[in-house]
Amino acid sequence: GAGVSQSPSNKVTEKGKDVELRCDPISGHTALYWYRQSLGQGLEFLIYFQGNSAPDKSGLPSDRFSAERTGGSVSTLTIQRTQQEDSAVYLCASSLDRGWGSYEQYFGPGTRLTVT
Amino acid sequence: AQKVTQAQTEISVVEKEDVTLDCVYETRDTTYYLFWYKQPPSGELVFLIRRNSFDEQNEISGRYSWNFQKSTSSFNFTITASQVVDSAVYFCALSEALGSAGTASKLTFGTGTRLQVTL
Repeated sequence: GAGVSQSPSNKVTEKGKDVELRCDPISGHTALYWYRQSLGQGLEFLIYFQGNSAPDKSGLPSDRFSAERTGGSVSTLTIQRTQQEDSAVYLCASSLDRGWGSYEQYFGPGTRLTVT
Repeated sequence: AQKVTQAQTEISVVEKEDVTLDCVYETRDTTYYLFWYKQPPSGELVFLIRRNSFDEQNEISGRYSWNFQKSTSSFNFTITASQVVDSAVYFCALSEALGSAGTASKLTFGTGTRLQVTL
């Protein structure tokens, strides 16, 4: 079946502009995660949505970052007033909750964000 | 706080050699999950294996095997008879298990080990 999809695959933006990154999880997956991968910081958790629960925003690096998940499916990560240190690959993952032992996360191809 | 350490930054082997990638973790949780992911040059993270903290059985899948030792907080990954297609960055990751259903949570990743397999 279809995997996690993300768009755009690449985004170049000027410093100070806002950007929106989109994630379509695997159909039926209840949990959705955002991570970013950069040379200096490795793979970092950003935010996590689980069903109807309040999202875990503990990884968001600043209040310029926000995310929403509409209808329990598609998610959008928004970065306002982008800075050069926001340049990274932003990865989305989803997982299916089926009780103990069924929680592996499947990742999308990522969006490479470059802030000039 | 959770922490995953992959001390090997880069490993180079010749095809058909066996190679072990080390992973050491720290957590205060009594129940948790451990994972290995592969990131080939194409960039997409590929899930390889998940282990529950209460299941210390080792696992073998083809040329891949995993050794989970709770006593030493290690979850090592061995590739037997390596092939050029195994060249990738391999990440070990840890997640706590939440509540009575053991719901997984955010992943804490190690810094990755780059494996280069040459002919």
